[in-house]
Amino acid sequence: AQKVTQAQTEISVVEKEDVTLDCVYETRDTTYYLFWYKQPPSGELVFLIRRNSFDEQNEISGRYSWNFQKSTSSFNFTITASQVVDSAVYFCALSNDYKLSFGAGTTVTVRA
Amino acid sequence: DAGVIQSPRHEVTEMGQEVTLRCKPISGHDYLFWYRQTMMRGLELLIYFNNNVPIDDSGMPEDRFSAKMPNASFSTLKIQPSEPRDSAVYFCASSPGGTLAYEQYFGPGTRLTVT
Repeated sequence: AQKVTQAQTEISVVEKEDVTLDCVYETRDTTYYLFWYKQPPSGELVFLIRRNSFDEQNEISGRYSWNFQKSTSSFNFTITASQVVDSAVYFCALSNDYKLSFGAGTTVTVRA
Repeated sequence: DAGVIQSPRHEVTEMGQEVTLRCKPISGHDYLFWYRQTMMRGLELLIYFNNNVPIDDSGMPEDRFSAKMPNASFSTLKIQPSEPRDSAVYFCASSPGGTLAYEQYFGPGTRLTVT
């Protein structure tokens, strides 16, 4: 069975602070994919990143960065210099086929 | 290119009524997914299609739920009869085949309220 755990339910920061969202996953498969999605207050789900299990390179996209560590089964997400527009629920997800298993989500609130 | 389109965006209905949710996937995408989001259970996959054929419907909660995909550009999720516990946001997502098969793009969702 696959499982994704996002232990942080809510995080509140002041603008310009960095925020790191934790994601720990469980799977018996050797080939799998990890994702992060953003759900802003408007409700849509926005794809942020996909990473396959054979690619442990960290990735940076603007103020977003991701740290994938197979040894600890973690795929953490950092927002650098947070902005109010980053306020959203962030979901980590796992897939080994075409089915996504989502974590419970972390609500990030960035205060001005 | 247009994203995934869902209609209606909001639906309020009374218990016992039939509800039909609609989805138009991104053109060229071979996979279509229906999800449900609730506070209690989070995001759950209900069913998914590949090339219009249902592949896995193990997430469909009960016989009151049914989904169809009559062609590559249209899918419906029907609840008959609806119950208050069906109140949720229902998302449709689509995904291309091939190497990007695992990347899903979500529609804006339909917020369903059953009174």
